[in-house]
Amino acid sequence: AQSVAQPEDQVNVAEGNPLTVKCTYSVSGNPYLFWYVQYPNRGLQFLLKYITGDNLVKGSYGFEAEFNKSQTSFHLKKPSALVSDSALYFCAVRDSGGFQKLVFGTGTRLLVSP
Amino acid sequence: EAGVAQSPRYKIIEKRQSVAFWCNPISGHATLYWYQQILGQGPKLLIQFQNNGVVDDSQLPKDRFSAERLKGVDSTLKIQPAKLEDSAVYLCASSSQRGPYNEQFFGPGTRLTVL
Repeated sequence: AQSVAQPEDQVNVAEGNPLTVKCTYSVSGNPYLFWYVQYPNRGLQFLLKYITGDNLVKGSYGFEAEFNKSQTSFHLKKPSALVSDSALYFCAVRDSGGFQKLVFGTGTRLLVSP
Repeated sequence: EAGVAQSPRYKIIEKRQSVAFWCNPISGHATLYWYQQILGQGPKLLIQFQNNGVVDDSQLPKDRFSAERLKGVDSTLKIQPAKLEDSAVYLCASSSQRGPYNEQFFGPGTRLTVL
């Protein structure tokens, strides 16, 4: 069964600094990987996805993620953090076969200080 | 384009009572999902519909949870009777096609507190 791990409960970064939110995955087939963001009292919003192709995926709000097959990782990055990026970030993975469901990690809270 | 709508936004009930949540997906989206998000955890899929048929309900506690999507559009999730451990946010999502490529669009969720 597929799974994802987000090893950090919280990431703290100063505004203007680069940020990285880590994610590792486990699937039996080819992985389809997603990042979602959740703001307080709101549903999850899609940021970006990796299906195939370039290992560096660009998404919404200046975020990008790097797919690394050998390390089974899909870390979320942004060159310059904003205070408004403070939120809960979820990595998710879906196996390539059939009706495989989307499996989410436990989430990482990003706190960007002014 | 309107997003996924859910109601109510908040619900407080006593254990052993019943409760129902409603979801209206984005127009034209054939696939609808219900997730349970317990505090401190990621969302967990409860049930997935393709049009009005169920394609995955393997993690739905069928002794107390039920869901339907009668006309292939909006959906209702019911819990009867509720337990303390059902306290969570219930998220509805929809996507435009079956299959792994398309992102899911989430509603704001219903926060359920069982006392």
